[in-house]
Amino acid sequence: AQKITQTQPGMFVQEKEAVTLDCTYDTSDQSYGLFWYKQPSSGEMIFLIYQGSYDEQNATEGRYSLNFQKARKSANLVISASQLGDSAMYFCAMRERRTSGTYKYIFGTGTRLKVLA
Amino acid sequence: DAGVIQSPRHEVTEMGQEVTLRCKPISGHNSLFWYRQTMMRGLELLIYFNNNVPIDDSGMPEDRFSAKMPNASFSTLKIQPSEPRDSAVYFCASHDRGRSYEQYFGPGTRLTVT
Repeated sequence: AQKITQTQPGMFVQEKEAVTLDCTYDTSDQSYGLFWYKQPSSGEMIFLIYQGSYDEQNATEGRYSLNFQKARKSANLVISASQLGDSAMYFCAMRERRTSGTYKYIFGTGTRLKVLA
Repeated sequence: DAGVIQSPRHEVTEMGQEVTLRCKPISGHNSLFWYRQTMMRGLELLIYFNNNVPIDDSGMPEDRFSAKMPNASFSTLKIQPSEPRDSAVYFCASHDRGRSYEQYFGPGTRLTVT
C-alpha cells in the first residue's frame, strides 16, 4: 500500500499566484514527521519544510507553508506568490518509526510544478 | 561549508563490473543516508548510518549492494557485480540529528550500466 500519495502528477500556476500541492499519508504511528523537498531540473534535492506529528501549529518557511490536517492525514504544501524559479518537481516524504526503533523514510512519487509567466 | 560531496558525478560501466560510489558528508553531521532514484520506483532509501554505524539497511536491494562508513567523513556504496537495472541516480544525504530534521543532499551520481 502506498504510504505517501501525491495525486497530482503535474500542476500549472500563474506567476505570483498561490498553489497547493497535495499529499496524503498513511501511518499507524503516533509520532512521525512529514517533509517536502524540491528537485529542480538540475537534479539536486532541496529541503523545504518539516512538520512533526505533535506540532500544533502548521509549519512555515518563507513562502512555503504546510497545511497539516492530522485527522485527514494530509500534509499539503502551499507556495505563496509563485516565482518562475519554483518550477520543479516536489516530493512529499514521511519519517516513521519501525518497531525495531529505526526510522523509515518514504517518499511520494512527486508533483511537477510549472510556473507560467 | 562545501555541502555533501559525491563522486563520481557520472559513471558508465558494463554489466558485471564493480562500481563504487563515494560520499563525503557535511562536517559535524552524524547521520548519513544513501538513496536511489529511478523513474519506475521513485526515490528509495537504501541504507542509513548513525555515528558511522549502519542502522537500517532494509532498503538495500540485494547482496550485490554493500555500504560502508569507515569514518565520520567518508562513505561508500558498492555494487558488485553491476546489472543494467542498477542504472539510477544515487544520492547521499547527511543530517545532524541533534539540530534539525533537514537532510542535506549531495548532487547525486548518475550511474548507467550497459
